[in-house]
Amino acid sequence: GESVGLHLPTLSVQEGDNSIINCAYSNSASDYFIWYKQESGKGPQFIIDIRSNMDKRQGQRVTVLLNKTVKHLSLQIAATQPGDSAVYFCAENRGKIIFGKGTRLHILP
Amino acid sequence: GAGVSQTPSNKVTEKGKYVELRCDPISGHTALYWYRQSLGQGPEFLIYFQGTGAADDSGLPNDRFFAVRPEGSVSTLKIQRTERGDSAVYLCASSQDSHNEQFFGPGTRLTVL
Repeated sequence: GESVGLHLPTLSVQEGDNSIINCAYSNSASDYFIWYKQESGKGPQFIIDIRSNMDKRQGQRVTVLLNKTVKHLSLQIAATQPGDSAVYFCAENRGKIIFGKGTRLHILP
Repeated sequence: GAGVSQTPSNKVTEKGKYVELRCDPISGHTALYWYRQSLGQGPEFLIYFQGTGAADDSGLPNDRFFAVRPEGSVSTLKIQRTERGDSAVYLCASSQDSHNEQFFGPGTRLTVL
């Protein structure tokens, strides 16, 4: 069965604000997570990853937080832009990728 | 450089027909994966190749689905006796090896009428 899942199917954020997308997982042995962005008509695109020996990892305008105690991870996007509009998936990498259902991020002007 | 390409981009077929979907991975990538994405869902793993061999085919839903990668590069996903429930976007991904980042193609949208 599914081992990762997102909390909200959709999220609307004002342009320029920060976005936070949450995800929970069920297997405490899971040790490698990835966030993907999928735009309409395209395949998933790697955003950032994190392994279980880290709590936080930062990229360009994105931060992933991992809380192993409550089996929760989040993706934070700073200063959200129209180009950030997409479906975001948290996923577990077991060699094969196990995807959750996704959160659609809407950017409000 | 060139990414993962998939052909055709769209395929419409009738129930009961046979289809082949092609994936051209990034040159030099030894690992190749197929996933299926139904509307509103995340992609679901189908099969993984390391080189020419299928290392994990546990995601193939039934024996109507088969995939090959005869020369360790291009892969073909074959679906026999298609059913309406096979309608989905079929995604291919490749990586340098099984532990590296996977790069996804744009997918083939299969519609079974």
